[in-house]
Amino acid sequence: EDQVTQSPEALRLQEGESSSLNCSYTVSGLRGLFWYRQDPGKGPEFLFTLYSAGEEKEKERLKATLTKKESFLHITAPKPEDSATYLCAVQERSGGYQKVTFGTGTKLQVIP
Amino acid sequence: DAGITQSPRHKVTETGTPVTLRCHQTENHRYMYWYRQDPGHGLRLIHYSYGVKDTDKGEVSDGYSVSRSKTEDFLLTLESATSSQTSVYFCAISESQGPNEQFFGPGTRLTVL
Repeated sequence: EDQVTQSPEALRLQEGESSSLNCSYTVSGLRGLFWYRQDPGKGPEFLFTLYSAGEEKEKERLKATLTKKESFLHITAPKPEDSATYLCAVQERSGGYQKVTFGTGTKLQVIP
Repeated sequence: DAGITQSPRHKVTETGTPVTLRCHQTENHRYMYWYRQDPGHGLRLIHYSYGVKDTDKGEVSDGYSVSRSKTEDFLLTLESATSSQTSVYFCAISESQGPNEQFFGPGTRLTVL
């Protein structure tokens, strides 16, 4: 059962063309939602943590938002260096361990 | 990579051989994790550690064991490697269990022939 679903799987944008990536989740007792960026051949790099519905975080051209069922990563006027795979992860309490479940990611390509 | 190194970075081995991957951190974080990443799957937790000599299983722990004898080192052992264990393995660390972001190492690409 998928608890974290990211869409689209891949996205190709022209430089400057703004868009949004989606992360929908079905967990009980959300403790936090995380966004990561992953470049080819590297480990995921932490971007944001969101804790509750209505929260927003920004960093340069990226803005993450959270509702009770999904999160969006908005990319404003992207540049080629924003090309990467963006991963979403949710943390919930599961017994004694706060389980983290990752989505499969959205591969973003920004064309000059 | 937040003071996390993994070794080796690449390894090719044969089915049935034991393999040990090492994760070393310089951040003095309490929690350490081993994940595998495969196409079509999100990162999946293999094992994690919440302190020296304190470890527990993740969702895909069969065929793997771990050890943590020092705060800075977390070892992942494939007791008898199989082709299904061909994957990219990532180590991660976090200060607390959560909600808390994890910081990832550069990964180890393992191929089992």
